[in-house]
Amino acid sequence: GAVVSQHPSWVICKSGTSVKIECRSLDFQATTMFWYRQFPKQSLMLMATSNEGSKATYEQGVEKDKFLINHASLTLSTLTVTSAHPEDSSFYICSASGQSYEQYFGPGTRLTVT
Amino acid sequence: SQQGEEDPQALSIQEGENATMNCSYKTSINNLQWYRQNSGRGLVHLILIRSNEREKHSGRLRVTLDTSKKSSSLLITASRAADTASYFCATDLSGGYNKLIFGAGTRLAVHP
Repeated sequence: GAVVSQHPSWVICKSGTSVKIECRSLDFQATTMFWYRQFPKQSLMLMATSNEGSKATYEQGVEKDKFLINHASLTLSTLTVTSAHPEDSSFYICSASGQSYEQYFGPGTRLTVT
Repeated sequence: SQQGEEDPQALSIQEGENATMNCSYKTSINNLQWYRQNSGRGLVHLILIRSNEREKHSGRLRVTLDTSKKSSSLLITASRAADTASYFCATDLSGGYNKLIFGAGTRLAVHP
């Protein structure tokens, strides 16, 4: 099956700093990428959908100025958490889909803001 | 926003027993998918059932879909300790949006 990677797998940062998370499709071209957030013992919440070369579409309640998403190529999307605060600590998961529309999930990135 | 409710929220069984998890959703769907997530890990895709299908099998997994009741169930037969994980249903909404909306999940513990 198709492989999606995320980097880093975990990151610790200080409050007020920015963190960038990368999502890559390794063996297919991802026309659409999705970003999810998951708090402990909770479900995945869709944050935004990004199409290559277009601005991301954010779900209601997600601050687009805080969670910057870039999908500049068919194999890479990045999520930047700006001015991170402890409440942004979470597990961030991306998924990617190509022409088949099936979504392939990355392994996730655990963000801890101290 | 979350589309689905899942029950039970947690399920504890012995190895060899069957485990049944249920998922309900609110709007029309293209398909419904089930995923497994081991603690702190990514998602593993288990099975996809389309809106015009009623039942699907894959190994020890059996999924049913009742679009009139907007519900689905996942049955794991002859469970093993390795099946211990959280299980989520996700609905792909109709309308071509290709967005997956996840249910709250069921935490399954299978004891040896």
